[in-house]
Amino acid sequence: GAGVSQSPRYKVAKRGQDVALRCDPISGHVSLFWYQQALGQGPEFLTYFQNEAQLDKSGLPSDRFFAERPEGSVSTLKIQRTQQEDSAVYLCASSRRTSSYEQYFGPGTRLTVT
Amino acid sequence: KNEVEQSPQNLTAQEGEFITINCSYSVGISALHWLQQHPGGGIVSLFMLSSGKKKHGRLIATINIQEKHSSLHITASHPRDSAVYICAVKETSGSRLTFGEGTQLTVNP
Repeated sequence: GAGVSQSPRYKVAKRGQDVALRCDPISGHVSLFWYQQALGQGPEFLTYFQNEAQLDKSGLPSDRFFAERPEGSVSTLKIQRTQQEDSAVYLCASSRRTSSYEQYFGPGTRLTVT
Repeated sequence: KNEVEQSPQNLTAQEGEFITINCSYSVGISALHWLQQHPGGGIVSLFMLSSGKKKHGRLIATINIQEKHSSLHITASHPRDSAVYICAVKETSGSRLTFGEGTQLTVNP
């Protein structure tokens, strides 16, 4: 079946622009995670949804970052007033049930802020 | 000190060699994941384990909960195994995965 998909795959934004990154999880997967991966580093947790509820947003680096999953399937990560330090790969992952299950990762969105 | 540390950071091997990548962690965990990341960003989950040993093809993962240590072994390595291998732990409390910085493996023909 289809895996986790993300769009766009690449995004170039000028500093100060707002961006929206989309994640389509595997159908029926309850949990959805967003991670940020800087160049040469391991991913870092941003936020976690169980269905439409955002249960953990402690990893969001500032109030410019906002995530939603209004119907419990597709999720959007929005970054307002982008800064150069926001340049990274943003990874989405989903898991079948709770966060204790294996996570399936999307291909990521590479964001470059110029 | 990172909660999850991997060694080595970089590893170059000749085709056919036996490879070991190590992961140590400092927190209580409910599960440990080994992930493979190819250029371009795509991450594939190789193993999720909470005790003992798992094997899949030429890959073997072991974990020692008491010593807070896990190893990923690749037998008869092949150039297509070249990738970044990442260890990640799920802490006993909370929902997040905490990742190591990855091990860049290059297998030369």
